[in-house]
Formats: sequence, structure tokens, C-alpha cells
Amino acid sequence: AQTVTQSQPEMSVQEAETVTLSCTYDTSESNYYLFWYKQPPSRQMILVIRQEAYKQQNATENRFSVNFQKAAKSFSLKISDSQLGDTAMYFCAFYSGGSNYKLTFGKGTLLTVNP
Amino acid sequence: DTAVSQTPKYLVTQMGNDKSIKCEQNLGHDTMYWYKQDSKKFLKIMFSYNNKELIINETVPNRFSPKSPDKAHLNLHINSLELGDSAVYFCASSQESMYRSYTFGSGTRLTVV
Repeated sequence: AQTVTQSQPEMSVQEAETVTLSCTYDTSESNYYLFWYKQPPSRQMILVIRQEAYKQQNATENRFSVNFQKAAKSFSLKISDSQLGDTAMYFCAFYSGGSNYKLTFGKGTLLTVNP
Repeated sequence: DTAVSQTPKYLVTQMGNDKSIKCEQNLGHDTMYWYKQDSKKFLKIMFSYNNKELIINETVPNRFSPKSPDKAHLNLHINSLELGDSAVYFCASSQESMYRSYTFGSGTRLTVV
């Protein structure tokens, strides 16, 4: 079974600085997809970024980028120029495709951006 | 305009009652899900339906019964509610493609008293 581990329950960062959230996963699959979701206090689940395992290039979405290390099974999220609105729970998630339709989530990292 | 809508957003009820949560998606997706988020914010899948067929049933008590009348709807009925059922329940949908991009509803906070 796939597992997703987020080793940082809480993190904080000063506004305008850069922060990196860690995620590791365990799978025997070769083709899969990885996601970072953001859950602000409004509780809405918002897709931040996704990465296909077959792509070597790291995904980037504006201030958000990932460092995908397939051999190490690591998928970290870097947030540049942190903003107050980035304060939220961040979840790393794994999907292996095929007939397994489910997303497996990590336990989340609570990120607080301080003014 | 809401892509995945759940009703109600909040539900407070007494132990032993039966309640339902409704979910509708207007994205044309072929797969719908129910996830449970516990008090520690951990998200875990409960059920998945693909084209109205049950695909995943993750060791959920049989007091929970999903119903999918069509591809756009997936409702969750809970019998004999218990205190431990208190959680946030998320509906989600996705479309089979080269990758999975889930769209979540805004969640239903269920409180059993």
C-alpha cells in the first residue's frame, strides 16, 4: 500500500521569505502522480501543484514549485515570496492511476505566514 | 457555477439519528468520492463511484451507505449516528485522463451531540 509522510506538523515563515515543505512517499508503482493541496481556514481543498512521475522536469506554478526526487521518493514544495494568504494546512497526496482511484494523503503541515 | 456542491455545509444532530449529505458535480466527471477529515485534519477516502458503480469501499461501518443515482450525484446516508462520526466530510470528483485532478466540494461539518 502506498504511504505519504509529511514530517513537519507545523512550520512558520516571515512574509516575503521562502519556505520548503517536505513530503516523502512509498510505492512500488512506476507511474503515478503527486499533488500538493492547500486547505485554508475556509476548509476548501485547493489544488496548488501537481507532478507526473514520468516527467523529470519539476512543476512550477507562479510562486510555488516542487523538488521531485523520484529515486529518493521525495516531493517537497517550495513557496517563494510568502504571503499572508498562504497561511493554511498543506497536504501532499499520491495517486497511482489504473483501477486505484483514490488519493492517499499525508497528515498535513500547518504553515503560518507571519507579518 | 459551483463545480462540486455539497449540502448542507453544517449539520448538528443527536446520537442515534439518521442523516444524509448530498453532493452534485457539474463538471461532467465520471468518478465521485467521499472523504472523511477527522479532528486531526487527516483525510481518508471512504467511497468511490465510477459511472455509478461502487469502486472503493474502505472499511467504513455499514451504517454509512453511499448512493449514486447518476454520474453527477453521490449522496451519503448515515444511520444511527455516533459521537465518533463527528468530522468534516468532503465530496470530490475527477475525470479519467492521463492524470487525476480532483475537484473537492467545500465540505460538510457534521457534529453529533
